[in-house]
Amino acid sequence: ETGVTQTPRHLVMGMTNKKSLKCEQHLGHNAMYWYKQSAKKPLELMFVYNFKEQTENNSVPSRFSPECPNSSHLFLHLHTLQPEDSALYLCASSQGTLGGYTFGSGTRLTVV
Amino acid sequence: GENVEQHPSTLSVQEGDSAVIKCTYSDSASNYFPWYKQELGKRPQLIIDIRSNVGEKKDQRIAVTLNKTAKHFSLHITETQPEDSAVYFCAASIKSGAGSYQLTFGKGTKLSVIP
Repeated sequence: ETGVTQTPRHLVMGMTNKKSLKCEQHLGHNAMYWYKQSAKKPLELMFVYNFKEQTENNSVPSRFSPECPNSSHLFLHLHTLQPEDSALYLCASSQGTLGGYTFGSGTRLTVV
Repeated sequence: GENVEQHPSTLSVQEGDSAVIKCTYSDSASNYFPWYKQELGKRPQLIIDIRSNVGEKKDQRIAVTLNKTAKHFSLHITETQPEDSAVYFCAASIKSGAGSYQLTFGKGTKLSVIP
């Protein structure tokens, strides 16, 4: 248990489905992040939340919608995804945004 | 924005030899440089980090060096062991416009330690 829990671990969804990814951190951190990890690509930052406020949105398509109800929980709502969105989605948290990140185990998403 | 280049993309070494992975960054304002290790099917884990006011940091068999003038930093692993086999990512942290910081990652280096 690293303190950052992601569910589900695996998800297969059709292009017309709506699903949500969940991340919960038990470390008392105040910043949370969504990263996308694809084969042969670097970790791509999607969203940053600092004290529950979204501070970064790296030109992510609107079919990805984040939600951060409190400093411990982070969601990524998915709808009408494309096959190229298939990837490992990693959540991370940190104490402040200038420090080491603790990553969750990720959700392996497959869009069919 | 920040650009982080990492080399090599793959690295094979004999057990007991040393391994060196190098990264360069583009933004001179970057001030925090962590290294992550990701084993197959597992999450990235922080193994060592260095801040811009320090030139070198060591933790047992792992060391990181930083050259701010040249804007590059390196990971050194000595006396490599098979369990060091993994993908290693470097990252650089810069301050964003909203006052927070964000990490930009390199593309990763797949290290294989041959017994």
